[in-house]
Amino acid sequence: GQNIDQPTEMTATEGAIVQINCTYQTSGFNGLFWYQQHAGEAPTFLSYNVLDGLEEKGRFSSFLSRSKGYSYLLLKELQMKDSASYLCASMDSNYQLIWGAGTKLIIKP
Amino acid sequence: IAGITQAPTSQILAAGRRMTLRCTQDMRHNAMYWYRQDLGLGLRLIHYSNTAGTTGKGEVPDGYSVSRANTDDFPLTLASAVPSQTSVYFCASSDAKGSGTDTQYFGPGTRLTVL
Repeated sequence: GQNIDQPTEMTATEGAIVQINCTYQTSGFNGLFWYQQHAGEAPTFLSYNVLDGLEEKGRFSSFLSRSKGYSYLLLKELQMKDSASYLCASMDSNYQLIWGAGTKLIIKP
Repeated sequence: IAGITQAPTSQILAAGRRMTLRCTQDMRHNAMYWYRQDLGLGLRLIHYSNTAGTTGKGEVPDGYSVSRANTDDFPLTLASAVPSQTSVYFCASSDAKGSGTDTQYFGPGTRLTVL
């Protein structure tokens, strides 16, 4: 079956670094997406990885290991506005996204 | 501003009633999707359309129908609503060229409550 696992909730301190992990099992693989979703709002695209390695985009970085079925999202210099849910999604062989339940990130001052 | 719009923003509906959720995009994306989002669960695909005139079933299609008469519009219909269809519904679109441009962009969502 297809499955995406990520922690339900994480807490971090303003200014710190946090890593949100995601493991995936899908029928085929065409890339790994991370989205951010603030409470009551729509998901918004953060990053896409299809090759192994680290992709850096400002304060946010995303890593992929295809052999391990593993990805992480790294958030640096945390700000209060980073409090949100972070959704991991794997694109399967039919180019459909299989979504994790999301990780709620709580930032404390 | 280009993007996706959904209507209504929220709705309370009596069980057994028929309801159509509207979705319109102006990005000329060929693919469109309908998801539902429930607490503790990931986004679940209801129906999708890879191009105007074609539709397909997702993970949870029962009780829902869609049509894609043109590129811009992708309405979702609940023929006879049931309480288990209480959810937040998101419409999304993408270029769907089988590459990183398959990034999906989401509308603001419709919060539906079926009593």
